[in-house]
Amino acid sequence: KAGVTQTPRYLIKTRGQQVTLSCSPISGHRSVSWYQQTPGQGLQFLFEYFSETQRNKGNFPGRFSGRQFSNSRSEMNVSTLELGDSALYLCASSLGDRRHGYTFGSGTRLTVV
Amino acid sequence: GDSVTQMEGPVTLSEEAFLTINCTYTATGYPSLFWYVQYPGEGLQLLLKATKADDKGSNKGFEATYRKETTSFHLEKGSVQVSDSAVYFCALPIGAGSYQLTFGKGTKLSVIP
Repeated sequence: KAGVTQTPRYLIKTRGQQVTLSCSPISGHRSVSWYQQTPGQGLQFLFEYFSETQRNKGNFPGRFSGRQFSNSRSEMNVSTLELGDSALYLCASSLGDRRHGYTFGSGTRLTVV
Repeated sequence: GDSVTQMEGPVTLSEEAFLTINCTYTATGYPSLFWYVQYPGEGLQLLLKATKADDKGSNKGFEATYRKETTSFHLEKGSVQVSDSAVYFCALPIGAGSYQLTFGKGTKLSVIP
């Protein structure tokens, strides 16, 4: 059974540019969440999608957006990149049941220069 | 609001030593509780979980018991190995109507031969 696949693994962007990250969940999982991980702030929730609908959003500026497609694949977009956006972005998928936990991908390491 | 607090470390142990990483939670009701592990350069892996009070989750020699009376979910292992060197996160789901995980700040474990 394939796991959660995130692409690309590494990305270097220039301040002011925009970036799109991709996540393919485990087959059958309809819930996809995104998290930002930084040394200073730890793991912070960005947003969660279930059946193409955003159910919840974390405390991030509007530059951070996402979407989910009918096949449950998800993308997140960050516009007007800032140096502070450098982080590991983790995608996680779930059946949507709070009892079972999320399965995480390996993440996309974004560096903004 | 709902939250978890875990000891931050870092923790350095000799091989075959006993490990305890403390985690306490504040939550409405009795949520599921999780321990995740992150090896260097990788995403998060679900290590173990407990879905109700008095449940004991276990995996790879690690154990944690969901204790309602002390609102705790401490992670233990009787004999650590060098391969257990990683960062460990305690987590619980929060939010009504969606599925979002809130994490502790992580505990970095280093095991020396």
